[in-house]
Amino acid sequence: ETGVTQTPRHLVMGMTNKKSLKCEQHLGHNAMYWYKQSAKKPLELMFVYNFKEQTENNSVPSRFSPECPNSSHLFLHLHTLQPEDSALYLCASSLQGHALTDTQYFGPGTRLTVL
Amino acid sequence: GESVGLHLPTLSVQEGDNSIINCAYSNSASDYFIWYKQESGKGPQFIIDIRSNMDKRQGQRVTVLLNKTVKHLSLQIAATQPGDSAVYFCAEEKGGGADGLTFGKGTHLIIQP
Repeated sequence: ETGVTQTPRHLVMGMTNKKSLKCEQHLGHNAMYWYKQSAKKPLELMFVYNFKEQTENNSVPSRFSPECPNSSHLFLHLHTLQPEDSALYLCASSLQGHALTDTQYFGPGTRLTVL
Repeated sequence: GESVGLHLPTLSVQEGDNSIINCAYSNSASDYFIWYKQESGKGPQFIIDIRSNMDKRQGQRVTVLLNKTVKHLSLQIAATQPGDSAVYFCAEEKGGGADGLTFGKGTHLIIQP
């Protein structure tokens, strides 16, 4: 266990549904991240939150909407997704956003299938 | 384009042998590198890291080598065990702060009995 939990672990949704992914870290970290892992592609950074402020949006479509209410929780709200959005969505956290070496610890991911 | 990449998508080794997994990166400004291991159904797990002011770092059964001249990173696993079977990713971080990581495509390490 890395101290980063994600729910649900698996999610199947239609293109018109609205759902949310949840991430919680129990490590006392201040930075949290969303990554997308598609088959045969490298992990892609989506969003970065540092001390609850969004510091990076890596050109992610607006049908993905992140929310970070506090340093321990991170959400990814999903609406009107496309089948090509099917992937493993990984959350990660790191201690602080201003360290030169800031190791990120990953959760187990949510396997999302869009029908 | 992709900043960090791996040379081989699959590497097959005999149990007990040493494994070497390679990675090339293209951004000379990167100053922090990490190796992750991802087992089936799990998220990436931190293995070892190295800063750009070092050229070698050792952990338990693992060693990371950094050659900044040719922008090459490698992970050496000593006495490979069945539990080492996984996909291995190198990742880079540019500058300080919560910038997010840039990952390579991964090498699937297969252990033969």
